[in-house]
Amino acid sequence: SQQGEEDPQALSIQEGENATMNCSYKTSINNLQWYRQNSGRGLVHLILIRSNEREKHSGRLRVTLDTSKKSSSLLITASRAADTASYFCATATYTGNQFYFGTGTSLTVIP
Amino acid sequence: DTAVSQTPKYLVTQMGNDKSIKCEQNLGHDTMYWYKQDSKKFLKIMFSYNNKELIINETVPNRFSPKSPDKAHLNLHINSLELGDSAVYFCASSQGTGYTDTQYFGPGTRLTVL
Repeated sequence: SQQGEEDPQALSIQEGENATMNCSYKTSINNLQWYRQNSGRGLVHLILIRSNEREKHSGRLRVTLDTSKKSSSLLITASRAADTASYFCATATYTGNQFYFGTGTSLTVIP
Repeated sequence: DTAVSQTPKYLVTQMGNDKSIKCEQNLGHDTMYWYKQDSKKFLKIMFSYNNKELIINETVPNRFSPKSPDKAHLNLHINSLELGDSAVYFCASSQGTGYTDTQYFGPGTRLTVL
C-alpha cells in the first residue's frame, strides 16, 4: 500500500529546541501534505509540497521533499509547548482522489 | 463558526445496535469524506462523496452506509455494530476532488462498542 511511515513514532524535546520528523512513502506522488492533530481533535492542514518542489517554508515550519528517496521531512524551529501534537504526512498519487496518511509522529514539547 | 462539525462527539453502544453519525460543513465545499482512525492512530479513508455522489468507496463492510442528502452533509450509518468498529471517525471536506486540495477535518466522533 501507499501508506506513509513517519519516523520517529514519538519525539520529546525541550521548548526552544528544533523538532524534525520524517515521512517515507512507497510510490510516486503528486504532492505531500503535513497535518497536525492535537489530542482529541481533528487534523489541521499545515503545508503542502508538490512533487516538483524541494523545500517549502511556512512560519516556523520547513518541509523538504526528496522524491528520489521517497521521503519528506518536517522541521519545526524554536518549538513551543503548544506544538505538542501528533504530526501526519499524507501523500496524494497521480491516480485516485484520495490521500494516504502515514502513521504519525507524536511530538511532546516540554516547557 | 465551526467549519466541519460532527455529532455526536462520543457514542457508546452495545454490539449489534445500529447507529448514525452526522457531519455538516459550512465551507461550501463540493467533496466530503469519512475516515476511521484506529487505536494506533492510523487514519484510513472509508468514503468520499462529491456533490452527493459517491466517488471513493474503500474496502469497508457493507454494514457502513454513507448518505449525502446534499453537498453540505454526509452522514454515516452503521448497522449491526461490532467490537472492531470501535474507533474515532472523522469527517472532512475539500473544495474539489483533486489531490491538491486541502482537507478540513471535523473534531471526530469516538465510537465505543461494548
